[in-house]
Formats: sequence, structure tokens, C-alpha cells
Amino acid sequence: EIVLTQSPATLSLSPGERATLFCRASQSVSRFLAWYQQKPGQAPRLLIYDASNRATGIPARFSGSGSGTDFTLTISSLEPEDFAVYFCQQRYNWPPATFGQGTRLEIK
Amino acid sequence: QVQLQQWGAGVVKPSETLSLTCAVNGGFFRGYYWAWIRQPPGKGLEWIGEINHNGTTNSNPSLKSRVTISVDTSKNHFSLQVTDVTAADTAVYYCARGRDFWSAWGQGALVTVSS
Repeated sequence: EIVLTQSPATLSLSPGERATLFCRASQSVSRFLAWYQQKPGQAPRLLIYDASNRATGIPARFSGSGSGTDFTLTISSLEPEDFAVYFCQQRYNWPPATFGQGTRLEIK
Repeated sequence: QVQLQQWGAGVVKPSETLSLTCAVNGGFFRGYYWAWIRQPPGKGLEWIGEINHNGTTNSNPSLKSRVTISVDTSKNHFSLQVTDVTAADTAVYYCARGRDFWSAWGQGALVTVSS
């Protein structure tokens, strides 16, 4: 089973700042990595798939990069609604598909 | 736009069977995989398994012996059963559309295992 490790566990930033979140896989997942945003009491929302493709309706301030074992989600300028928990997910080597433990993005 | 609506028992006794159903409205049912994913309170996400309209299933090896996923194409529904539940099965259960990643999700259903 591929283990995804996200860092940092918590990121404290202010609106308007740039956020950089990391996801490292225990073995290569090529570019088969997705990112999700989850707000309290809501289902996850797909942001990025195949490492760098924005899902339908996702603002351009969200971008993804990386391949192999190291991936990055960048939010170029934080809006108030961006403060949430973010998960990465792989399905390159499955079953099972696996998720990272999450990064909590909180308002500083 | 596709909508997934899920329902099922909110409390299940230990050793009994958890059952949930998800209805797919407003989109194609055939041609997609349909998944179940769960999230224990305050924790991360765990993929449970998936099914397509032909009934082809895949499931998480950690749960495989206790999980049954079925489909009713006449109703555009798919269902999850988890047998012999314990407190570790307490979670919000989500249904979702997709295979490599999940672009549409149900609203989630909290299932608590408690006597």
C-alpha cells in the first residue's frame, strides 16, 4: 500500500498570502495524484487531478505540480473561503486507493 | 449536473451489518465507477470500494471480507453493506463518482456503531 505523507500538518497564513502544501508518496505514483478541499461538515471537493489539472469550476489561484513521489498544491493568493483541510490522494498502485492525512490551512 | 443522495441506518449495533444506499440523479449512470469512501470522526479518508453498472467490484483489502457493494441499474442506485461491525467502523460514509479520482460526492452519512 502506498503511503502519502502531507506537510505541514497545519499551516497558518493570512488572506492574500501564498500557500504551499506538500504531499510525498512512499513510492512513485507517476502523475496519478489528486487534491481535495474539505470544509467542516461537507464532503471533499476535487480541486486537482493528474497532479496539475484543475477540476471543473476550480479557480485559477489553485495549481498543482509534481510527479513521481513529490507533489505540491499552491494557492497563489488566499481568499477567506480557502481556509479548510486539504487531502492528497493516489490511485496509481491499487487496491487500495489511498489518501494523505491532511493539511489544515488556518487563518493566522 | 449529477447529484448523489445517500441514506441508511445511523446507528448499528456491534457485530451487526451496516447498510447504505446512494441514488444517482441528473447524470449518466452507465460508464462510470461508483465508490464508497469513509471518514472516522476527526480523521482522514479511507477508500472502501467501488462498482460499475456491470456489477464489477473492487474493494480495499483491509475490509474486503466484510464488504459487499451492489448495484441496481433500474433505479440508478448502488449500495454498501459492511458486516460484523465494530466501533472502528464508526464514520461518515460518502458515496462518490469516479475511479482514479472522485468528482462528485454524496452529502455523507454518519454511521455510529453502538449498543
